[in-house]
Amino acid sequence: QSVLTQPPSASGTPGQRVTISCSGSSSNIGNNFVHWYQQLPGTAPKLLICRNDQRPSGVPDRLSGSKSGTSASLAISGLRSEDEADYYCASWDNSLRGVVFGGGTKLTVL
Amino acid sequence: EVQLVESGGGLVTPGGSLRLSCAASGLILRNAWMSWVRQAPGKGLEWVGRIKTKTDGGAIDSAVPVKDRFTISRDDSENMLFLQMNSLKTEDTAVYYCAASYGGISAEIDYWGQGALVTVSS
Repeated sequence: QSVLTQPPSASGTPGQRVTISCSGSSSNIGNNFVHWYQQLPGTAPKLLICRNDQRPSGVPDRLSGSKSGTSASLAISGLRSEDEADYYCASWDNSLRGVVFGGGTKLTVL
Repeated sequence: EVQLVESGGGLVTPGGSLRLSCAASGLILRNAWMSWVRQAPGKGLEWVGRIKTKTDGGAIDSAVPVKDRFTISRDDSENMLFLQMNSLKTEDTAVYYCAASYGGISAEIDYWGQGALVTVSS
């Protein structure tokens, strides 16, 4: 059971907008930054969104992040087949004194 | 180009030990908070622990499941990170990723290695 809660799956058709949610608590998301990672099949994770809503260099602006209270969301607009991957949210947890990840959301492009 | 290359993975029997190494290139390791993250087969990501820069005190934080069994260390002069794993259990079977963070307490992981597979089995 992961400390951060994500839906196990999400899907959309090319061109659509999808959102992936991440729910936590005051120990983590509520008082710390949220980051999002993309993991393509058979590869290492890659940082997509950092500090709630910042895109690292090279990440397209059709990806965006937001945070409100103890929840966060990742939005992907203009969905493409190459977006098919697993997505993880993460945050520092003040009680556990460690990084906590969501269980991951498998995004399928139909 | 930034590269983090893990080595030292393999098959070990329960109760055994293994030491993972991570060689960094294309970045200044001494400025990065370094972490290990693992992923059991078919499962999600799990943070193992991290070591801060010497400038920030070099403190080590470890996840509860591995505390007292796993030790993280660094050799900035060689641009290397290590994970000493003792008293290994079958549930430690996973791909272990070396990871670098330059954001300090914001805790995002900027760079990831390709991973090293550790299999604990009799």
